[in-house]
Amino acid sequence: AQSVTQLGSHVSVSEGALVLLRCNYSSSVPPYLFWYVQYPNQGLQLLLKYTSAATLVKGINGFEAEFKKSETSFHLTKPSAHMSDAAEYFCAVSESGANSKLTFGKGITLSVRP
Amino acid sequence: KAGVTQTPRYLIKTRGQQVTLSCSPISGHRSVSWYQQTPGQGLQFLFEYFSETQRNKGNFPGRFSGRQFSNSRSEMNVSTLELGDSALYLCASSPDRATGANVLTFGAGSRLTVL
Repeated sequence: AQSVTQLGSHVSVSEGALVLLRCNYSSSVPPYLFWYVQYPNQGLQLLLKYTSAATLVKGINGFEAEFKKSETSFHLTKPSAHMSDAAEYFCAVSESGANSKLTFGKGITLSVRP
Repeated sequence: KAGVTQTPRYLIKTRGQQVTLSCSPISGHRSVSWYQQTPGQGLQFLFEYFSETQRNKGNFPGRFSGRQFSNSRSEMNVSTLELGDSALYLCASSPDRATGANVLTFGAGSRLTVL
């Protein structure tokens, strides 16, 4: 069975500071990994995905994530936080690219201080 | 290109009633999946439909059901509503590619409140 662990429920950073949101996964097969962002009263928007190509994945809005198999991690980073990055972030895993069953982490709320 | 459209956006029901939620996928997307989002349980997979057939199912009771029409539009139904069914129900569609990851595009959700 697959699972995702996102440590901590809330991260607060200053504007311009590094953003680091952690994600660890468990999967019995090589996984597909995703980061989604959710703004208030909206659905989920894909930030980036890992599909066994490059281990460093670049996404939208300046975010990137690195797949580390040895650490079973897929942490999300952004060099410089912007106020508009304040949202909830979800890491998700799928054991098959062929279906739409994603297992999500509990999510992390990112706050950005002026 | 229009996104995933869910209706209604908000609704209030009472315990014991039933509810039907609708989802129109992105044009050309043949797979539609449904997720329940609650503060306590987070995002949980309900089911996935492809070509009018349920292809995958999560761990929810039989009160939760769905269907997909020939135009790929999907509906989900919850019967005999319970207070715990209060949630944001998210629909997602994907192109169902033969290779690579199927990227889900989510709708804005239908927020159900059960009183």
